[in-house]
Amino acid sequence: GAVVSQHPSRVICKSGTSVKIECRSLDFQATTMFWYRQFPKQSLMLMATSNEGSKATYEQGVEKDKFLINHASLTLSTLTVTSAHPEDSSFYICSARKLGGSNPYEQYFGPGTRLTVT
Amino acid sequence: GQQLNQSPQSMFIQEGEDVSMNCTSSSIFNTWLWYKQEPGEGPVLLIALYKAGELTSNGRLTAQFGITRKDSFLNISASIPSDVGIYFCAGQTNSGYALNFGKGTSLLVTP
Repeated sequence: GAVVSQHPSRVICKSGTSVKIECRSLDFQATTMFWYRQFPKQSLMLMATSNEGSKATYEQGVEKDKFLINHASLTLSTLTVTSAHPEDSSFYICSARKLGGSNPYEQYFGPGTRLTVT
Repeated sequence: GQQLNQSPQSMFIQEGEDVSMNCTSSSIFNTWLWYKQEPGEGPVLLIALYKAGELTSNGRLTAQFGITRKDSFLNISASIPSDVGIYFCAGQTNSGYALNFGKGTSLLVTP
């Protein structure tokens, strides 16, 4: 299998606080994890690419100091939304690419985290 | 990354009908992937295509990688109510393995 989990599934926080979202590959090791953001009725937009043990690569327009990514192990990546504001409210989804998989191009997605900033 | 042109945007069909959707890009991709997303969940991989001209099936689903490497289509035969969801195409170059997503096709199936 290729199961990816995210925690929490839903979080509500107050404006100005920070929120950490975890992404775990449960039954495989992931060389690379990706973080996406999805607004209602819209497509997934890549925020950053995270490789284990190195700094994340952010897409143009994504503030790296606001969206802190840590990929400390081959099974865990975290996204921290710092000083969250209402406009950061969104559905955040991670995906993982399997280490040594027969199909290196396939990405397996987590179930997503719904962030609401009040 | 770039966004792909996916059509139609939405489809409202009766159970038993066949469905076809497609994606086009101005750039060449090395891989095309089709995902299904249900409300409040992450996308689930349906079919992956790795070379131009490839035609692959997964049950009632069939997808093809266009010869020009700039397009792909997904067909669903004999649709059933549980096919309801949003279908996304995604193209991928080798560099970095990041996915470029289409805007999605929302499928509604009435019994």
